[in-house]
Amino acid sequence: GAGVSQSPSNKVTEKGKDVELRCDPISGHTALYWYRQSLGQGLEFLIYFQGNSAPDKSGLPSDRFSAERTGGSVSTLTIQRTQQEDSAVYLCASSREGARGYTFGSGTRLTVV
Amino acid sequence: TQLLEQSPQFLSIQEGENLTVYCNSSSVFSSLQWYRQEPGEGPVLLVTVVTGGEVKKLKRLTFQFGDARKDSSLHITAAQPGDTGLYLCAGVLGNTPLVFGKGTRLSVIA
Repeated sequence: GAGVSQSPSNKVTEKGKDVELRCDPISGHTALYWYRQSLGQGLEFLIYFQGNSAPDKSGLPSDRFSAERTGGSVSTLTIQRTQQEDSAVYLCASSREGARGYTFGSGTRLTVV
Repeated sequence: TQLLEQSPQFLSIQEGENLTVYCNSSSVFSSLQWYRQEPGEGPVLLVTVVTGGEVKKLKRLTFQFGDARKDSSLHITAAQPGDTGLYLCAGVLGNTPLVFGKGTRLSVIA
């Protein structure tokens, strides 16, 4: 597609439920990034994919968080047993190999009630 | 500990005024980027600065990278309501993903 597409745009879930957030990057972009943005905070790095592998998972806050990328394209971020502190906007970005700038999607606003 | 400190955190000005926002760190970055984010959208890349002392202009926006590559500034001349948004700086450290500051939230009042 023309841009980075994220779905759903909004998700309200009950505490303890699992959620899946999807990111469809720009075609041909080999790198894919997940960030989390909480109110009043900057972008917090979660995980990075180069192709289908994740060289850097250092930002995942707990073992309830996992992510995968298949076919060098679509990525899914899964949060198990959601907690209220997981409420945030989850942003996905992609970039071409060697490029410095990222192209971001519009994000998924997750609210855990 | 925040690697990139942005100031001010909030800024509200009248249309036509000039302003400068800052991005500071104790770390040396190989490059630094500025993004603008509007409500409900993801950040959009404005500029990348690479060389210490570099100045780049984008219409009424002037970006400067410090000589030591530890800090940067964004100056807006004659601000307009369309400049309203969250301005984020982000730095590249080696081969790692971008590190972002918390941003400066700018409101330009007509």
